Amino acid sequence: AQKVTQAQTEISVVEKEDVTLDCVYETRDTTYYLFWYKQPPSGELVFLIRRNSFDEQNEISGRYSWNFQKSTSSFNFTITASQVVDSAVYFCALSEYGSGGGADGLTFGKGTHLIIQP
Amino acid sequence: DVKVTQSSRYLVKRTGEKVFLECVQDMDHENMFWYRQDPGLGLRLIYFSYDVKMKEKGDIPEGYSVSREKKERFSLILESASTNQTSMYLCASSWRARAEAFFGQGTRLTVV
Repeated sequence: AQKVTQAQTEISVVEKEDVTLDCVYETRDTTYYLFWYKQPPSGELVFLIRRNSFDEQNEISGRYSWNFQKSTSSFNFTITASQVVDSAVYFCALSEYGSGGGADGLTFGKGTHLIIQP
Repeated sequence: DVKVTQSSRYLVKRTGEKVFLECVQDMDHENMFWYRQDPGLGLRLIYFSYDVKMKEKGDIPEGYSVSREKKERFSLILESASTNQTSMYLCASSWRARAEAFFGQGTRLTVV
């Protein structure tokens, strides 16, 4: 079985603060993929990042950074110098390799609602 | 640009009606998915398809069926709509297994 836990249901910070969204996952596979998606108020999920289980290198993209630690089964997401436009629901997701064949799907966490106050 | 289009943004149907939710992607992706999103539950996979006329059950297939007659189109069917199927429905596609999925804008279905 696979499971993704986003313990933070809602986070509220003031603009320009840094904020970290936590994601903890469970899987028995050694090969798997982790994802982050953003869902703004408009509703459409926007893909942010995909990381495979063999690549533990941290990634930075502008104000966004991701910290992947297999030892703690975590894939955390940090927004530096947050902006009001970052307000959204953020989802962490997991896909295992080779489970059941075919396309399978992503297992999502329940999401973290991030509120950036001006 | 990647594009997944769902036929309706909002839909209101009566209990017992047969409901069709349509999804079209223009990226020639092999895989297509239907999820439903409910507050506090996140996204849950209903069905997916990895090829034309192929379908696989996801985590919550009960009360739903799907159809994929053409590669670009994936339909979700509620055979007899019930109030507990009131939800946001999201369609997605990806070019291969375990690749990133691209989502449509969602259909908010209300069953009364």
